[in-house]
Amino acid sequence: SQQGEEDPQALSIQEGENATMNCSYKTSINNLQWYRQNSGRGLVHLILIRSNEREKHSGRLRVTLDTSKKSSSLLITASRAADTASYFCATDSTGDGGFKTIFGAGTRLFVKA
Amino acid sequence: DAMVIQNPRYQVTQFGKPVTLSCSQTLNHNVMYWYQQKSSQAPKLLFHYYDKDFNNEADTPDNFQSRRPNTSFCFLDIRSPGLGDAAMYLCATSRSPAVGTDTQYFGPGTRLTVL
Repeated sequence: SQQGEEDPQALSIQEGENATMNCSYKTSINNLQWYRQNSGRGLVHLILIRSNEREKHSGRLRVTLDTSKKSSSLLITASRAADTASYFCATDSTGDGGFKTIFGAGTRLFVKA
Repeated sequence: DAMVIQNPRYQVTQFGKPVTLSCSQTLNHNVMYWYQQKSSQAPKLLFHYYDKDFNNEADTPDNFQSRRPNTSFCFLDIRSPGLGDAAMYLCATSRSPAVGTDTQYFGPGTRLTVL
């Protein structure tokens, strides 16, 4: 079963607004990562947050992690048209088969200029 | 610049005709991954190599094979492509010996079309 599930599936906002995307997961994790994917391209790593961390910042990005609720959020502040992309969370965990990274289905963000 | 390169970017093959996708990296990372991503879906891990050790995901069809002749190169072989194998194939690398707990660096992907 899919580990990471994201909502909303799609988000449309005006340039300058903030965008918040959420990710929920089911099992214990070592860390959680957020990636960005422009249409038809590979994924680009944005930020990694470890299971013992609650919040991380990187430029206009803010990621929170609540392990008690098994959820994470990605906030993009002051969005720009160039932020238009799909955003995926990926959970890193240890199971019977060793370490595993599982991606969520992603949130499609569209920022209108 | 250090990077992950995938060739070709677009591949068209016929139903049942074997196809090979290639990935190379200049990052000198230990781990290389192959993902399949269908339209509007999450990337799905097919398998990974930690150095020369091959790790297949339990639900990866036998139709998919991989080779890693050296640190820099990794190949994905699809022995008899079906229409359902049309997808974007993403190669990624990571440095950490603890597979899956480090940042993965992705190539641009190869879009496979099966006619």
